[in-house]
Amino acid sequence: IQMTQSPSSLSASVGDRVTITCRASQSISRSVNWYQQKVGKVPKLLIYDASSLQSGVPSRFSGSGSGTDFTLTISSLQPEDFATYYCQQSFTRPTFGGGTRVEIE
Amino acid sequence: EVQLVESGGGLVQPGGSLRLSCAASGFTVSSSYLSWVRQAPGKGLEWISALYSGGTTYYDDSVKGRFTISRDNSKNTLDLQMNSLRAEDTAVYYCVRQQSSTTTFDYWGQGTLVTVS
Repeated sequence: IQMTQSPSSLSASVGDRVTITCRASQSISRSVNWYQQKVGKVPKLLIYDASSLQSGVPSRFSGSGSGTDFTLTISSLQPEDFATYYCQQSFTRPTFGGGTRVEIE
Repeated sequence: EVQLVESGGGLVQPGGSLRLSCAASGFTVSSSYLSWVRQAPGKGLEWISALYSGGTTYYDDSVKGRFTISRDNSKNTLDLQMNSLRAEDTAVYYCVRQQSSTTTFDYWGQGTLVTVS
């Protein structure tokens, strides 16, 4: 299953609402996870099963979607949120999206 | 506290072999679902292999027949034997624990760099 993320990069300002989308090549129910990776750091699980917030993750992060289309939303971008975000399907053998780099505008 | 610490990375010539090890603490590898995920320099994440608690193993086509995943229950470690290495295997290799019996990756090691050149 291929996971296509868009956009591949975006520029935003602190306080902005940011939305990243991920499309699966076939229906995968709600089997999508989202990860954040800062430069030089290890990926961190943010959202699992499309919309469940991982323990310790700020509530400004949210996920939605089902079937083939999924969204990660950051309600009010904070300085520590500038990073690359990956979606991943857990419906079959795991595959990741290509990533979305969120940069400072 | 769950911790994963990889070791064994380094520089190897094409066609060579390398064995990665991941020392786990805070949980038991024999009762867990574990994977190796790699990331080529400047690229995205790629799952390559998994070992489930019952002993079933899985491989991505890109490494099938060349890599072998295993665990040492006495040492509480996860290993990855990599043979017939290619330049495209150059990456940081992460040892990752899966959440329960899902393929959601909730704990990641710090990674170990493998360079094939």
